[in-house]
Amino acid sequence: EAGVVQSPRYKIIEKKQPVAFWCNPISGHNTLYWYRQNLGQGPELLIRYENEEAVDDSQLPKDRFSAERLKGVDSTLKIQPAELGDSAVYLCASSPPPWDRGVPRTTDTQYFGPGTRLTVL
Amino acid sequence: KQEVTQIPAALSVPEGENLVLNCSFTDSAIYNLQWFRQDPGKGLTSLLLIQSSQREQTSGRLNASLDKSSGRSTLYIAASQPGDSATYLCAVGGTYKYIFGTGTRLKVLA
Repeated sequence: EAGVVQSPRYKIIEKKQPVAFWCNPISGHNTLYWYRQNLGQGPELLIRYENEEAVDDSQLPKDRFSAERLKGVDSTLKIQPAELGDSAVYLCASSPPPWDRGVPRTTDTQYFGPGTRLTVL
Repeated sequence: KQEVTQIPAALSVPEGENLVLNCSFTDSAIYNLQWFRQDPGKGLTSLLLIQSSQREQTSGRLNASLDKSSGRSTLYIAASQPGDSATYLCAVGGTYKYIFGTGTRLKVLA
């Protein structure tokens, strides 16, 4: 089974430039998350999607960040314009639906992609 | 607001030692707790998930315990190996929202 795919793996840009990250979740996973991980810190949730709906974007800096998941599968996270403080690793994760053949799942495991390391100069 | 702390921040041990990583959280109203492993330049891999009603979970040489009342979890690694070298993160929460600790960087020396 293929895991969560992210691209690019690395991105170096100058401040004020736009940048976009792409994520393809595990097939069948309807929940998708974008996290930001600063150096030496744990990941922090930016946005969570249930299918194509953004159900939690409270931590997303909406003045410069945007995200979309138009068909409820892959997703794009965009920053425009990028600032020096945006340098971080951007992680995408997905999790399966809470119900599996009518049986509620008791676990809530999230499967993470390898991340995109962004450097803003 | 939930805060998650991991101690120690870094740990270096000789191969074969048993070790304990600690995670503490401020709000005991959690659904579950997960321990993740992160290798340099890689994403996170889930190691163990403990539901709020459980006290511990085991997988191979790993054992994780949860004490909600005291806001603590420990990850026990038996007979450590160089391949265990990584950063270990705990995450508390549930209902699709996790709060992560800052991690413990473990180095196991051959």
